[in-house]
Order: sequence, then structure tokens, then C-alpha cells
Amino acid sequence: DGGITQSPKYLFRKEGQNVTLSCEQNLNHDAMYWYRQDPGQGLRLIYYSQIVNDFQKGDIAEGYSVSREKKESFPLTVTSAQKNPTAFYLCASTLTGFPQHFGDGTRLSIL
Amino acid sequence: QKEVEQNSGPLSVPEGAIASLNCTYSDRGSQSFFWYRQYSGKSPELIMSIYSNGDKEDGRFTAQLNKASQYVSLLIRDSQPSDSATYLCAVRPKAAGNKLTFGGGTRVLVKP
Repeated sequence: DGGITQSPKYLFRKEGQNVTLSCEQNLNHDAMYWYRQDPGQGLRLIYYSQIVNDFQKGDIAEGYSVSREKKESFPLTVTSAQKNPTAFYLCASTLTGFPQHFGDGTRLSIL
Repeated sequence: QKEVEQNSGPLSVPEGAIASLNCTYSDRGSQSFFWYRQYSGKSPELIMSIYSNGDKEDGRFTAQLNKASQYVSLLIRDSQPSDSATYLCAVRPKAAGNKLTFGGGTRVLVKP
């Protein structure tokens, strides 16, 4: 089935550790996005990519990094510089001009 | 002023009634507008998109857009307990490519 797959569903980070969240889509979508959602809040854009090998910072990129080496994949690394990483992380993708659709999300917590 | 604003709620409606949700936005050049439903602990799910002034109906949902007044609304007719969720308004600002700006969401509670 076509869709957006995020893994893992739950992730725990130790102090000073970098962790990587996976996002894969088989929808042949051009653009991919990473959002952060804190409890009771809306979505805030971290990074986005319109094409392979290109990506732009969103509103809250500090402490995060991404890569887009393949059209299907857009992994997000939460670095140790992100001091408050506990949140629900959502990956989305879309074709140009169409609505975004989301994966099931990854819930990140600090140990 | 936030770019996309929604009343956080909770909006409490009795089963069978109409739930009315509102969203205002600041970028007058915005072209595309979306409503997502998000159940607790789950990811957002697209339920409506609207691109021109007026009403758009899909089943029990009606989206209304008024670009002159910069607001978009969502009506849920014959509300069911399964409609209890947070509803996120998303706007695609002018010259933003495919980027969306989200409101904070309105929590809806449908009481049997």
C-alpha cells in the first residue's frame, strides 16, 4: 500500500545523544516536511525539501538536521544541541499543488 | 498577531447538533485552505480542502471560505461522538510553495 512510514513509533534520547527519525514515502511525492507538535499545540515546521539534495530551514530548525539523498526518504536528526526535544514529530509529503499527508508520527522523550 | 488563529476550545456540542469552527489568517494572498482532524495521540488526517470563496460540502462536513474577511470555517452537521477530536486549520500563504501554516487547533467534544 502507498503511504508515509515513520519509524520508530517511540524513541528515547539520552543527554548528549543524537537520534535519527526515519521517514519514507512510496507515493512518488516531490516535497517532504518535518513538523514538531508539543502537547496542546499546533504544528511547527522544522525543515522541508522540495527536491532531492535540497532542503530549507523552517521556523524552528535550530538543533535539528536533515538530508534528502533519495526522493523516498527524508530522515531527521535531533542533535544534542536541541535542549528540549520531547515532542511528537510528524513527517508529511505532497505533490506540488496538493494537500500534505502525514505519517503516523514518532514520539520522542528524554531519558 | 499569529498567522493562523483558532479558538482552542474545547467546543462542546450535543450529539446530533452542528459544530461550527472558525479560523482566521493574516496573509491576504493565501490561496489554499485545509482542515485536518487529529485524534488524541494520532497524526492529522485531511478532511477538507477549499480554494475559492463560498461553501464546499463533503458528507457531514462543510467548509466555508471568505477571502475578503480572511476567515475559513468548518461546519460538522449531525455531530457524532466519533467527531470528538482536535481540528487543525492550515493555510498555504502566497509565495510559500507547498508550505503550510497551521493554527493551534480547536478541540471538539461531542457529548452523547
